[in-house]
Amino acid sequence: SYELTQPPSVSVSPGQTARITCSGDALPKQYAYWYQQKPGQAPVLVIYKDSERPSGIPERFSGSSSGTTVTLTISGVQAEDEADYYCQSADSSEKVFGGGTKLTVL
Amino acid sequence: EVQLVESGGGLVKPGGSLRLSCAASGFTFSSYSMNWVRQAPGKGLEWVSSISSSSSYIYYADSVKGRFTISRDNAKNSLYLQMNSLRAEDTAVYYCARDQLGQDYMDVWGKGTTVTVSS
Repeated sequence: SYELTQPPSVSVSPGQTARITCSGDALPKQYAYWYQQKPGQAPVLVIYKDSERPSGIPERFSGSSSGTTVTLTISGVQAEDEADYYCQSADSSEKVFGGGTKLTVL
Repeated sequence: EVQLVESGGGLVKPGGSLRLSCAASGFTFSSYSMNWVRQAPGKGLEWVSSISSSSSYIYYADSVKGRFTISRDNAKNSLYLQMNSLRAEDTAVYYCARDQLGQDYMDVWGKGTTVTVSS
């Protein structure tokens, strides 16, 4: 199995841009997906196929990919964006999650 | 409304067994692959198992292989996870999640059911 590596925490002030990275050797060959999870709630998909945004997800959420690293960008961060964010990918028969990044809005 | 509702969690002793269920509604359950994902207290998400729409393909994480069995009943719109030989490290919230059609990501999640393995 392979691993996805995320920074444990990212902090930004309201209105700034937050960037959360996810690194993994399989990412050049496999799509990455991003989930937002708030305390006591189930995860919610915010980005799929590296950069696609599901309906209902604010435009300030975007994704990009470069080599072995994918990035979730939240532009104009709002207090409600404070949450844990997980990247996920798949390699043939298994799904893998990154360790998660806690986004703190200062 | 598309919905997944898990049930069957509880307190079980190490070495014991538990069967989780997930009731699906609001979509054609038989068309979708399904997953179980767990989250230990204060920890991150861990994929546990997947099953294809017709049960032809079944996959497990190494951490549960040989102890857990995923299954589904398309006539009852239900997904199951039979958990045997439970260990303390299996303590977690267990989520049922739907794969988007033909994709490797999960677009619909249940609220989860809590499993506690303790003597």
